[in-house]
Amino acid sequence: AQSVTQPDIHITVSEGASLELRCNYSYGATPYLFWYVQSPGQGLQLLLKYFSGDTLVQGIKGFEAEFKRSQSSFNLRKPSVHWSDAAEYFCAVGPGGATNKLIFGTGTLLAVQP
Amino acid sequence: GAVVSQHPSRVICKSGTSVKIECRSLDFQATTMFWYRQFPKKSLMLMATSNEGSKATYEQGVEKDKFLINHASLTLSTLTVTSAHPEDSSFYICSADLQGRETQYFGPGTRLLVL
Repeated sequence: AQSVTQPDIHITVSEGASLELRCNYSYGATPYLFWYVQSPGQGLQLLLKYFSGDTLVQGIKGFEAEFKRSQSSFNLRKPSVHWSDAAEYFCAVGPGGATNKLIFGTGTLLAVQP
Repeated sequence: GAVVSQHPSRVICKSGTSVKIECRSLDFQATTMFWYRQFPKKSLMLMATSNEGSKATYEQGVEKDKFLINHASLTLSTLTVTSAHPEDSSFYICSADLQGRETQYFGPGTRLLVL
């Protein structure tokens, strides 16, 4: 079955500390992978995506993610977290193409303490 | 670029009435749009795929007569919640698929409260 797992429901980090949010997927074909961020009461903003090529992708707001096929993972990282990064983060996988239906993980809520 | 809007952002209605939510792609054309529902502290649940000029494709368990979707143009899809009940209260989010980028861009969401 196709699925996305975000093992960490809630993470708290100190401002300035590094961050890694985990994402594992189960998908039959080569997946298109995405990370989105959602602030309270808002829609989702695309942080970054991976389709092919270099397995380390850079996104907006200083985020990056690394695709590891052998581990079926696409973890999101940031070297130094800012208070404004507090939000919910969703990992998603899809087939790409014209009918790009996404499967979302359950999300990781990030809290940033001063 | 790739901006998606939703209107209204928040709506309160009485039980039994119908509510229409609009989703617009402002700076690109979208042959495919998606409608999601999000419960508090939960992930997004895909309700249906909206295709311009054709009938929407609904996910299993989603009542097509309850949630009417119309995608009449390349920049507009509407979701109408018919005969709304309190259990329909939720956060509804749309997205538009930007062809060529094979990426969904999301609207800001609509908070529906049915009294």
